[in-house]
Amino acid sequence: EPEVTQTPSHQVTQMGQEVILRCVPISNHLYFYWYRQILGQKVEFLVSFYNNEISEKSEIFDDQFSVERPDGSNFTLKIRSTKLEDSAMYFCASRDRGYGYTFGSGTRLTVV
Amino acid sequence: GDSVTQMEGPVTLSEEAFLTINCTYTATGYPSLFWYVQYPGEGLQLLLKATKADDKGSNKGFEATYRKETTSFHLEKGSVQVSDSAVYFCALSDQSGNTPLVFGKGTRLSVIA
Repeated sequence: EPEVTQTPSHQVTQMGQEVILRCVPISNHLYFYWYRQILGQKVEFLVSFYNNEISEKSEIFDDQFSVERPDGSNFTLKIRSTKLEDSAMYFCASRDRGYGYTFGSGTRLTVV
Repeated sequence: GDSVTQMEGPVTLSEEAFLTINCTYTATGYPSLFWYVQYPGEGLQLLLKATKADDKGSNKGFEATYRKETTSFHLEKGSVQVSDSAVYFCALSDQSGNTPLVFGKGTRLSVIA
């Protein structure tokens, strides 16, 4: 069964450093998403991406965040200058039309 | 804005016990409702869904009924197994499924033999 692949599974970074979280969505899916879950809290929507541009973003997705689909297969989330409060599990998801989201297994980001 | 509230976990049950995980929602209009499951080390997987009032979603012995009058979508299973141990997330989107999912906090279920 097709799956969404996220790398790395765990990343530790120092505060103020840039991180790039990588995702390979399902190849024929059209919509791409990033969500995050801070430990013990809700899974929160960050951004959606369709037709090579951001289609929607939440208040969390400020200027420190950016997304790219550089080569038609990878979908990346960049955090320019990480803060302690960016520590969370980050989930990538892709979707065809309709309800069929497929999620990756997540990247646990720890900012120290 | 739209929101989902789930019962706090963790929930620990013996094998073959009955499971209920409560979920209520607040939304404008008529959302679509979902239960996702996350097994250890894996991503979120769609467990079941319901797209209109009184619909019952079911899969792998789990069921949930879309109750508009009580704005609820409680997850139930008659007899849980050790392999059901996971984190369960209730979620909603708009009726077409095109708006981003809004999730609850998740409920961790542990089933012991």
